[in-house]
Amino acid sequence: DVKVTQSSRYLVKRTGEKVFLECVQDMDHENMFWYRQDPGLGLRLIYFSYDVKMKEKGDIPEGYSVSREKKERFSLILESASTNQTSMYLCASSLGQYNSPLHFGNGTRLTVT
Amino acid sequence: AQSVTQLDSQVPVFEEAPVELRCNYSSSVSVYLFWYVQYPNQGLQLLLKYLSGSTLVKGINGFEAEFNKSQTSFHLRKPSVHISDTAEYFCAVNPGGYQKVTFGTGTKLQVIP
Repeated sequence: DVKVTQSSRYLVKRTGEKVFLECVQDMDHENMFWYRQDPGLGLRLIYFSYDVKMKEKGDIPEGYSVSREKKERFSLILESASTNQTSMYLCASSLGQYNSPLHFGNGTRLTVT
Repeated sequence: AQSVTQLDSQVPVFEEAPVELRCNYSSSVSVYLFWYVQYPNQGLQLLLKYLSGSTLVKGINGFEAEFNKSQTSFHLRKPSVHISDTAEYFCAVNPGGYQKVTFGTGTKLQVIP
């Protein structure tokens, strides 16, 4: 089974801090994604990556950046955390084929105070 | 661009009763369709997918969905629900190409004993 591991389950940070959310997958998937999940809004795509050192903006990239230095690892960076970034963050990965399903991690619940 | 509508944010249903969770989508191109389930405090996992072929798709845990191209719908059904089906269900569409998957806002299924 594919395993997508997010480094933290819960995280509390202060406004203005730089925050790193880490995600690792163990199945050699080409594609990796970061979503944000908020009640009533579903999942919204922040950034995605189809290859090492490659990144593409999703629907809500403002205030975020990403890094993919190795195929198995995809990091989400909040350069200066704000309270409106309090949310559940979900990492996902998938095979390179365009119709492959996504495999999700268990999420990181980030609270910015 | 594509969009996904899940009209019902919450669906209460008695145990052993049938259930239908509705999903409608809009897209200018052919799409691939997915249903994901999220149990409390977990990430999403794939329930079923429609890629091509038969419009009736069977998934895990006794769920099935029917793709209706003319009505642009992909409703999820189960003939008899169990308490363990209590979860949030997300419909998703993928237009192919780069996997910019769009999710609906989710439907919370509450199974009442």
